[in-house]
Amino acid sequence: EIVLTQSPATLSLSPGERATLSCRASQSVGSYLAWYQQKPGQAPRLLIYDASNRATGIPARFSGSGSGTDFTLTISSLEPEDFAVYYCQQRSNWPRTFGQGTKVEIK
Amino acid sequence: EVQLVESGGGLVQPGGSLRLSCAASGFTFSSSWMGWVRQAPGKGLEWVANIKQDGSGDFYVDSVKGRFTISRDNAKNSLSLQMNSLRVEDTAVYYCAKEGGGYFWSWGLGTLVTVSS
Repeated sequence: EIVLTQSPATLSLSPGERATLSCRASQSVGSYLAWYQQKPGQAPRLLIYDASNRATGIPARFSGSGSGTDFTLTISSLEPEDFAVYYCQQRSNWPRTFGQGTKVEIK
Repeated sequence: EVQLVESGGGLVQPGGSLRLSCAASGFTFSSSWMGWVRQAPGKGLEWVANIKQDGSGDFYVDSVKGRFTISRDNAKNSLSLQMNSLRVEDTAVYYCAKEGGGYFWSWGLGTLVTVSS
């Protein structure tokens, strides 16, 4: 099973600041990595797939990069609605696995 | 617009059974892989099971193999998860999800399953 480790666990930032979230895989997943956003009481929403492709309707301030074992989700300038928990997920190997999440909170 | 509506959650004793359903609309259900993802209270996401478009193949996380069965009815645009021999650690919100290329593109609001005596 591929283990995805996200860091940091919590990121405390102010609106307008840049957020950089990390996801590291226990073995290479190629570019087969996605990022999801989850707000309290809501279902997750797909943001990025195949490491760097934005899903339909996702604002350009969200970008993904990386390949192999190291991946990054960047939010260029935090909007109030971006404070949430973010998960990475790999589809390279079975079982599909998720990271444990990074909470982006208001400083 | 894709809509996924789960039902069937509730309180069940350890060792009991429960059947979850998911009603799908707004897309060609018979052309999509479908899956279940769960989230224990205050915890992260865990993929549970998924099924091919025509139901010819299904896949499970090891912790539910032999206990859970995923199925679909393409005529009714419906997905199901039969859960037997439930354990306390199966307590979670269960999300129905439209899967494509190994990613979860659309999600329902979820249904809560509580396993407790």
